[in-house]
Amino acid sequence: EVQLVESGGGLVQPGGSLRLSCAASGFTLSSNTVRWVRQAPGKGLEWVSTFSGSGNTHYADSVKGRFTISRDNSKNTLSLQMNSLRAEDTAVYYCVRGPGYWFDPWGQGTLVTVSS
Amino acid sequence: QSALTQPRSVSGSPGQSVTISCTGTSSDVGGYNYVSWYQQHPGRAPKIMLYDVSKRPSGVPDRFSGSKSGNTASLTISGLQAEDEADYYCCSYAGTYTWVFGGGTKLTVL
Repeated sequence: EVQLVESGGGLVQPGGSLRLSCAASGFTLSSNTVRWVRQAPGKGLEWVSTFSGSGNTHYADSVKGRFTISRDNSKNTLSLQMNSLRAEDTAVYYCVRGPGYWFDPWGQGTLVTVSS
Repeated sequence: QSALTQPRSVSGSPGQSVTISCTGTSSDVGGYNYVSWYQQHPGRAPKIMLYDVSKRPSGVPDRFSGSKSGNTASLTISGLQAEDEADYYCCSYAGTYTWVFGGGTKLTVL
């Protein structure tokens, strides 16, 4: 069964950093595209970043220059390093496989709260 | 990119049909046949319902169907059931490896 499990969320002060992890099982990250999508409390979904199977990375304008996506093939995990965090980055962050031009399946999400 | 436009809420009685619209631009919905739809129950992660405008993943009932005309995509749910009550989000590829979601529609089954 294909499964994604996120971890690393928590409370961080504005300007701080946090690193999220996504552990994949049932498939190999190195040959699949995986993306991060976030959802602010009570709000809609927002695509954040993509790590393609070929190793290319892409970012939404809202996080470009502050977030870095990476992959550890030996651990079959994906990470999202988030720096210079802002209040508007507060959200549940989902790790999602991208088998095509869609998102499936989704992890359970991890909550990031940016507040002083 | 600006979010795709969805109605904030729709409702219907059990057995009826409802349609949720998703309006974008020629740079996203109108430019690609890569619209997908997601169902999200409260406190749960989203679940794929349709992809590539009208294709249903395995396990999704054929009561869910999709279409697209110009810059607007639509999700139709026929034979409404109580468990269909949820938030629904559309999503479109927007070129240069970017994606844009709709603001979400709350479906209430009366």
